[in-house]
Amino acid sequence: AQKVTQAQTEISVVEKEDVTLDCVYETRDTTYYLFWYKQPPSGELVFLIRRNSFDEQNEISGRYSWNFQKSTSSFNFTITASQVVDSAVYFCALEGGSARQLTFGSGTQLTVLP
Amino acid sequence: AAGVIQSPRHLIKEKRETATLKCYPIPRHDTVYWYQQGPGQDPQFLISFYEKMQSDKGSIPDRFSAQQFSDYHSELNMSSLELGDSALYFCASSPSPGGPGGKLFFGSGTQLSVL
Repeated sequence: AQKVTQAQTEISVVEKEDVTLDCVYETRDTTYYLFWYKQPPSGELVFLIRRNSFDEQNEISGRYSWNFQKSTSSFNFTITASQVVDSAVYFCALEGGSARQLTFGSGTQLTVLP
Repeated sequence: AAGVIQSPRHLIKEKRETATLKCYPIPRHDTVYWYQQGPGQDPQFLISFYEKMQSDKGSIPDRFSAQQFSDYHSELNMSSLELGDSALYFCASSPSPGGPGGKLFFGSGTQLSVL
C-alpha cells in the first residue's frame, strides 16, 4: 500500500518569507515517482514538479526548490520569498508500480499574507 | 496551448438522479484519468482508460461507469446520486507513450452538487 503524509494542514506566512512544505511517503515499490501539484482557489490542479526514485538531486526552479531524501522518504518543497499569489493548497503525490494512479497527500493550505 | 476540457464546470442534481461528466483530453493524448475530490479532501483515483480500454480501476462506486470513445474523449456516468457524491471531479490526460511517471495534465474539474 502507498501512503503520502503532509503533516502540515495549514501554514500562514508573511510575504517575502521562505516556507517549506513537508511530504513523507511510504511505498514498497523500488521504482516510483513523486509529484507536487498546486491547487489555487480557482480549483484546477497545476503540475509543479516530478521526481523519480533514482534521482535524488535537489532541484531549483526560480523561487521553488525541492529536497528529495530517500533515506527519510521525504520530498519537501520550499518557496523562497513567498508572494501572495503563492496562496493555494499544495499536494504531494506518489505513483508507484505499474498502475498509473496518483496517491495524493491530504494537502497543505498555504496562505501568504501581504 | 490546448488543455484538458471538462464539461460542465458546475452541475447541480438531486438525490437519485443521474449525471454525465465529459472530458476532452489534450490532442494526441490517448490516456484519460478520473479523480474525485470531496470537500477538503485530497483527490482520489477513480478509473483510467488507455486507447479506449479501461486500464486501471480505483475506488469507483458500482453506481458509476465510464468509457472512452473513438475520439479519445471520456464520459463519467453517475447514477442514483447520493449526497456524498458531491465533489469536484477531475479529468486528466497524458500523452502517448504514457509510461509510468508521466506528467498528468488536469482539467479544471466539474463541481457536482447533489441536493
